[in-house]
Amino acid sequence: QSALTQPASVSGSPGQSITISCTGTSSDVGGYNYVSWYQQHPGKAPKVLIYEVTNRPSGVSNRFSGSKSGNTASLTISGLQAEDEADYYCSSYTSRTTVVFGGGTKLTVL
Amino acid sequence: EVQLVESGGGLVQPGGSLRLSCAASGFSFSNYWMQWVRQVPGKGLEWVSRINGDGSHTAYADSVKGRFIVSRDNAKNTLYLQMSSLTPEDTAIYYCARDYGAAGVYWGQGDLVTVSS
Repeated sequence: QSALTQPASVSGSPGQSITISCTGTSSDVGGYNYVSWYQQHPGKAPKVLIYEVTNRPSGVSNRFSGSKSGNTASLTISGLQAEDEADYYCSSYTSRTTVVFGGGTKLTVL
Repeated sequence: EVQLVESGGGLVQPGGSLRLSCAASGFSFSNYWMQWVRQVPGKGLEWVSRINGDGSHTAYADSVKGRFIVSRDNAKNTLYLQMSSLTPEDTAIYYCARDYGAAGVYWGQGDLVTVSS
């Protein structure tokens, strides 16, 4: 199972919006509404931001939103803040009943 | 409050075995799928395995299939990962997570497994 494709890095200034893409295939991202997004700060466990493409757990800021079009899912962070600087990962359920992660995207807040 | 606490990690020689445990509390354990995810320090996340609430359905990444076995004891609210034929490529921090819609919604703090001679 190949990893989902994410950009290695993105950057933005405080207050701006950024979008991180996550590209898979019709056997994972495109075939199921089971795409999740995670934020991970150095030395910490991952934290879920989005599950089932668009759902945000309670306690997660509404500055984080998810969407999907075809085989590509996206995470948008609006009103960028310094604390958003972290690694971000997407994941998807697959046709083989497994789960696959993206390679991760490092977000730098300028 | 949902809590997940991994244990059992440590140093093991190549070819050896190790069993990780994940003690769960704060929720009805038997009602949830659970999963294991690992991460080589400084690298990305890699999904390892998943198991349903009664243990009747499991799934594994190709990289561990045939070597790792996921199981659970709902009476003890504990998830397990039995790892065998370990190689240095299995060196990683291992996280357990409560699953919802194939997402890890709650995560443990992780446990380091080091495979080295």
